[in-house]
Amino acid sequence: DTGVSQDPRHKITKRGQNVTFRCDPISEHNRLYWYRQTLGQGPEFLTYFQNEAQLEKSRLLSDRFSAERPKGSFSTLEIQRTEQGDSAMYLCASSRLRDSRGYTFGSGTRLTVV
Amino acid sequence: DQQVKQNSPSLSVQEGRISILNCDYTNSMFDYFLWYKKYPAEGPTFLISISSIKDKNEDGRFTVFLNKSAKHLSLHIVPSQPGDSAVYFCAARENSGTYKYIFGTGTRLKVLA
Repeated sequence: DTGVSQDPRHKITKRGQNVTFRCDPISEHNRLYWYRQTLGQGPEFLTYFQNEAQLEKSRLLSDRFSAERPKGSFSTLEIQRTEQGDSAMYLCASSRLRDSRGYTFGSGTRLTVV
Repeated sequence: DQQVKQNSPSLSVQEGRISILNCDYTNSMFDYFLWYKKYPAEGPTFLISISSIKDKNEDGRFTVFLNKSAKHLSLHIVPSQPGDSAVYFCAARENSGTYKYIFGTGTRLKVLA
């Protein structure tokens, strides 16, 4: 069990560019979540998958955001035409279907849009 | 609409004393609560949980209390240690089958040696 891995750890991009982040969950976890955290705030829910099915998307997830989890393994989060307001820490987490310990989080990808 | 609130952004406590972190929620459908601890440049890590059918859960130096009528929970750390200095988030799950957690804004705890 190597934990939840996120790549890259940091990304600086120019406004208008597309970015893609990757998350590798714990292998036996069938639920995968994406959260976003901005300065001074707690993690905000974006979307989650059960296996390969995307079961819920937050209204925070505009049309510029898309997430996939092919084959129920790793997941990607893509942001198209980035805006300065997209600058945040993007956290991925995974869990079993019923887990009394909640999620296991990755270390996050910090996105800076300049 | 902030359903989970942590009204104290920061707290300083002397080493060896008790730290009390508070959390309020508004949604009566929440049935499970967690506390997470976060160090800089790391993701949040699970600390302790409590189900809505209980009013107290204890794990070593950490105890979580739940007052359902007041929609309030608190985390007690005793004795506090310098290594406990971190940001603490409370999180709540709605009893709707999504297993999605709503997080508070966090309280930064500083334990002074």
